[in-house]
Amino acid sequence: AQKITQTQPGMFVQEKEAVTLDCTYDTSDQSYGLFWYKQPSSGEMIFLIYQGSYDEQNATEGRYSLNFQKARKSANLVISASQLGDSAMYFCAMREGPDTGFQKLVFGTGTRLLVSP
Amino acid sequence: DVKVTQSSRYLVKRTGEKVFLECVQDMDHENMFWYRQDPGLGLRLIYFSYDVKMKEKGDIPEGYSVSREKKERFSLILESASTNQTSMYLCASTPPAQGIRQPQHFGDGTRLSIL
Repeated sequence: AQKITQTQPGMFVQEKEAVTLDCTYDTSDQSYGLFWYKQPSSGEMIFLIYQGSYDEQNATEGRYSLNFQKARKSANLVISASQLGDSAMYFCAMREGPDTGFQKLVFGTGTRLLVSP
Repeated sequence: DVKVTQSSRYLVKRTGEKVFLECVQDMDHENMFWYRQDPGLGLRLIYFSYDVKMKEKGDIPEGYSVSREKKERFSLILESASTNQTSMYLCASTPPAQGIRQPQHFGDGTRLSIL
């Protein structure tokens, strides 16, 4: 079974609007971490935001926020005030195991976001 | 600033050739990873290493091997390249566990075509 599911292969949003990219995960661990990465067409993977399973607050980093719903096992990325430069592939990834453990990630299949003027 | 450098952005090789993909990081990170990325499949882990001369198989190690003779360098080897190994290859590194909230740092990727 897939451990990270991104059900939206592609999303469209107009500039300055907010957009939510979905991510659901499957784990039996109590301790885990969730990452979001952005991959522009140039290919590099850019880290955006991190959420730990024991974090009490939803993570935020500038225009990025994470809507973390632990009971539903979802960790959706919210991008506010979209910009043309946000057009890219977005990947959700999960690290299983405690924070002191070795950091091996499992990635979803990604969502391609296109921001239009 | 963190820097992970992959030796080639684009590489074209022939079926049956032995192919080396090199990755160097300048952050003194213990952990290094090789992934391949294919459309609709996301990133899949090929091999990883948590110390010099140590290596562990990831999810799709078949057809690949790795070498880590120095801490900063992690090489991916295609012993006899085949067309189904045409893909984007990404190298990443992380510090040990005390940096667990830190992300994996990626190189720019190598687009490998096997003809």
